[in-house]
Amino acid sequence: ETGVTQSPTHLIKTRGQQVTLRCSSQSGHNTVSWYQQALGQGPQFIFQYYREEENGRGNFPPRFSGLQFPNYSSELNVNALELDDSALYLCASSSGSPVQYFGPGTRLTVT
Amino acid sequence: AQSVTQPDIHITVSEGASLELRCNYSYGATPYLFWYVQSPGQGLQLLLKYFSGDTLVQGIKGFEAEFKRSQSSFNLRKPSVHWSDAAEYFCAVGESGATNKLIFGTGTLLAVQP
Repeated sequence: ETGVTQSPTHLIKTRGQQVTLRCSSQSGHNTVSWYQQALGQGPQFIFQYYREEENGRGNFPPRFSGLQFPNYSSELNVNALELDDSALYLCASSSGSPVQYFGPGTRLTVT
Repeated sequence: AQSVTQPDIHITVSEGASLELRCNYSYGATPYLFWYVQSPGQGLQLLLKYFSGDTLVQGIKGFEAEFKRSQSSFNLRKPSVHWSDAAEYFCAVGESGATNKLIFGTGTLLAVQP
């Protein structure tokens, strides 16, 4: 059974640019959630996708958007990057259960 | 609003000593409760979970946690800590409903002395 995978592992962007992060859910999982973890903080919920539809959103501006594909993989897009967007972005998958399984994360640095 | 408090930012214990990490939550109904562990630069690994039933739950790596409704607590324990347990530990509450989002505490960083 393949776990949750994320790509890329690290990336560096400049303020004002756009970025796309990718996540492949665990086999059989139809729900993907994205979290932002700033340095020294706990993860904060960005949004969740269930069967290709957004299923809930945290307190993040519209420049954070996402997609889920028919194979349940997902993308997180962030437009007009700001310095405060520098963080570890975590993807988690689940299926019919409150338990979420996390990927290794993508470390985004905005300069 | 739902929230999770982990009062201890940083704890140091000696290898072989017992460990208790504190977690308090604020939630209107019976919560789903979780403990996750994060090694440096890594994602989160699920240690254990509580949904209902027996209030003492066992997890991986020899960890256990006890749900105490009267104290709104879900403390994590381990009888004998190993050097490999050094990591950051997060307590989380899972919301029931359409969106099963997790609300995390700020974490407790565990250091283990030889």
